[in-house]
Amino acid sequence: DARVTQTPRDKVTEMGQEVTMRCQPILGHNTVFWYRQTMMQGLELLAYFRNRAPLDDSGMPKDRFSAEMPDATLATLKIQPSEPRDSAVYFCASGLGDRDSDGYTFGSGTRLTVV
Amino acid sequence: QKEVEQNSGPLSVPEGAIASLNCTYSDRGSQSFFWYRQYSGKSPELIMFIYSNGDKEDGRFTAQLNKASQYVSLLIRDSQPSDSATYLCAVNMDAGTALIFGKGTTLSVSS
Repeated sequence: DARVTQTPRDKVTEMGQEVTMRCQPILGHNTVFWYRQTMMQGLELLAYFRNRAPLDDSGMPKDRFSAEMPDATLATLKIQPSEPRDSAVYFCASGLGDRDSDGYTFGSGTRLTVV
Repeated sequence: QKEVEQNSGPLSVPEGAIASLNCTYSDRGSQSFFWYRQYSGKSPELIMFIYSNGDKEDGRFTAQLNKASQYVSLLIRDSQPSDSATYLCAVNMDAGTALIFGKGTTLSVSS
C-alpha cells in the first residue's frame, strides 16, 4: 500500500532551536505539499513543489521557514529559529499533478511542540 | 483571499440516520472539490471528489455541487459510529494545484 512517509512523528524542542522535518512522497508522484494544522487555523498551506521546483511558498514565514526538495524522494521543511507559535502538526502530502480525481495522499504528520 | 467555510459543529446524528455536511467557497473560479475525513489524531484521507454540477454517489456517500450557489455538500446515508470524525471540505483552482481547506465539521454518530 503506497504511503507518504514523514519523520519524525513527534518532536519536542526548545525555543530557538532548528527543526527539520522530512517527507518521502509516494513513488511516481510529482507534486508535494506542506501543510500545517492547528485547532485555531485548521489546515494551512505552507508550500508546494511540482517536479521538485517550488510553485508556491507564500504561506510560509520566509524569515524562519524554508522548504526544499533535494531529490524526487525527499522533501524537507526547516524552521530556524523555532518559536512556541510554531507548535502544530505538519503534514506532507503528495499527488499526481494532472489527476485531481485521485486527490492528494497525506503522510501521518509530524507533531511539533516548541517549549 | 480564497475562503472555504464550514460549520464547525459538532453535528450529532443517531446511527442509521442521514448526516448532511455543508461547505461554501468564495472563489467562483474554483474547479475541483474534495471531501476528506480525518479521525482524531490521524491524517486526512480522501473520501469524495467532484468537479461538475450535480450529485456524485459512492457507496453511502453522496457529494453534491452547485457552482452557481458556490456550495458543496456531503451526505452520509445509514450513518455508523465509525463515521464519527471531522470532515474537511477543500477546493482548488486548477488540476494539480494546492487545496484550500475549510476548518472542518465534526460529526458524531451515536449508537
